[in-house]
This record gives sequence, structure tokens and C-alpha cells, in this order.
Amino acid sequence: NAGVTQTPKFRILKIGQSMTLQCTQDMNHNYMYWYRQDPGMGLKLIYYSVGAGITDKGEVPNGYNVSRSTTEDFPLRLELAAPSQTSVYFCASFDSGTNTGELFFGEGSRLTVL
Amino acid sequence: GENVEQHPSTLSVQEGDSAVIKCTYSDSASNYFPWYKQELGKRPQLIIDIRSNVGEKKDQRIAVTLNKTAKHFSLHITETQPEDSAVYFCAARPSGGYNKLIFGAGTRLAVHP
Repeated sequence: NAGVTQTPKFRILKIGQSMTLQCTQDMNHNYMYWYRQDPGMGLKLIYYSVGAGITDKGEVPNGYNVSRSTTEDFPLRLELAAPSQTSVYFCASFDSGTNTGELFFGEGSRLTVL
Repeated sequence: GENVEQHPSTLSVQEGDSAVIKCTYSDSASNYFPWYKQELGKRPQLIIDIRSNVGEKKDQRIAVTLNKTAKHFSLHITETQPEDSAVYFCAARPSGGYNKLIFGAGTRLAVHP
């Protein structure tokens, strides 16, 4: 049971480039989330999904897109990368059928936009 | 929307002392308050949580208290150890479902031997 797996772990982008951060989970969790973590700013919710085919915006969605074609995968797409998107990105999952509220996080993807 | 403020941003204690981190939230309908610990370069991990119908919860050296009237909750760590050194995040879950957590800015705790 690998949990939540993110790739890549590190990436450097030039301004204006695009890329996709991959996230996959093997726990059969129905909810998935993307957060970004900036120094001293905590974790900000970018997008979330409550099931395959369903996505919605979080606190800071501008400049990002997501899709959820399967229960397992929840990729985050950055279009036209900007320096403001330099951050550590965490994917997380949650099983709404449990009595807990615990989010399971991936190890993070550190993105630098130069 | 919900807003969570966390204090202090940094905390330095001697091994064996207690540490207290405080958070306030703005949405009185928030119903779930977890605390996550993030060691350097690692993923956040849940260490304790409390629901809005409970005032206090304890797990060994860690306890959380909730004051719904004042809209604040606190993390208490007793008998701190060097391995407690990490960044701690509080969070609140607004009503409305989907387990969307709003996080505080984090507290960097350093425990000195």
C-alpha cells in the first residue's frame, strides 16, 4: 500500500512553460485535494474532487487546472507558469466513508519557476 | 469564508518543558479541528484532532482544547523531546461538506536538549 504518490519530486520551469504534476492513490479514497505550501503561509487549497468526473475550485485556483478521470488519479496542470507559482505542492486524499477527518498527504512536489 | 490564525509563528523550548500553540477561527459553523505535524522535508501528518462537540482530547503527551464560544483551540505538548521539533499546523473544517480544511500559517517548534 503506497498511499499517495506524487511525481515529480522536484522540477524547474521557465516562465510561460506548462507542466502537469501527477498524483495517484491506492487507498480507494473518493476525495482528493491539491494544496500549495508557501513559506510562512500554511497550506492553501487549490482544487479538490469528490469523485471521478467531479472537481471544484478551492481558495487559490487561478493558473491551475485539474481533472479526475479515475478514482486513483488527480493530476494538476499548470498553464503558462509564473514565478508566483513557485511553491511546494501537496496532493492529499480522504475516505468520506470513515468517521475520521484525516487527510493523507503525498510527499510533495517542489516547483521552481524562473 | 473561514479564516484560521495561528500563534506563535516560532516557539523555542527546552527539552522537558511544555509547548502551547493557539489558533483562532472565524466561522462559528466549523465542526472539526485537526492538528498536523510536518517534519523538515516531509509530508504533513495528523497528530490529533477534535470535533466541535468535544471540549478536550488527550493522546499521551499531546492534548487539544476547544473553546467554541471564543472560537479558539490550542495544542498542548508536555514533556517535550527533541523529536517534537517540527512545524505544526492547525486547521478548521467549515460546514458544507467535502472535508475541505483551512490551515493556519504554521508554528515552527524547536526543542533544545
